[in-house]
Amino acid sequence: GAGVSQSPSNKVTEKGKDVELRCDPISGHTALYWYRQSLGQGLEFLIYFQGNSAPDKSGLPSDRFSAERTGGSVSTLTIQRTQQEDSAVYLCASSLPGLENIQYFGAGTRLSVL
Amino acid sequence: AQSVTQLDSQVPVFEEAPVELRCNYSSSVSVYLFWYVQYPNQGLQLLLKYLSGSTLVESINGFEAEFNKSQTSFHLRKPSVHISDTAEYFCAVSQSNSGYALNFGKGTSLLVTP
Repeated sequence: GAGVSQSPSNKVTEKGKDVELRCDPISGHTALYWYRQSLGQGLEFLIYFQGNSAPDKSGLPSDRFSAERTGGSVSTLTIQRTQQEDSAVYLCASSLPGLENIQYFGAGTRLSVL
Repeated sequence: AQSVTQLDSQVPVFEEAPVELRCNYSSSVSVYLFWYVQYPNQGLQLLLKYLSGSTLVESINGFEAEFNKSQTSFHLRKPSVHISDTAEYFCAVSQSNSGYALNFGKGTSLLVTP
């Protein structure tokens, strides 16, 4: 079956622009997670969705970052007024109900802010 | 708060030699433990996990890890490595009482040479 799909795979943007990153989880997976992987900080948790609600958004680094999930499926991570320090690989993961500890990851979106 | 320490950033090893990648964690509550592998230009793949039960867990490709509660460790081992094992390995922890966010170590780069 299809795995977690993320688009675009690469995104280059100019400082100050807004970007949207998309994640399509594995069918039937009710939980969805966003992480960020950067050279300086390693892998960091950003936000967790259960269905369409986000019970844990403690990892979002600033109010420029937001995420939503509609229909219990696709999620969009939005970064407003991008900064160079936002350059990273943004990873999405999903998991089955009752097995939220076992997360399956997509290939990520590499964001470069010039 | 929990933290994960991977003591070695790089581990060079010859093909068919044994290897151990070290992982220590700190947490005041019960934890779940994971090893993920990331091949070049790919996403994270779950290698093995400890949720409960037997403290020795194994993967299908010959890796094993042992949960040692007294030493707060979850070291990854393989008795004989292959060139194809060259990858980045991440140890991760989630706490049993605070949601499902994974807290990752900085990663260990395993380089297997002939």
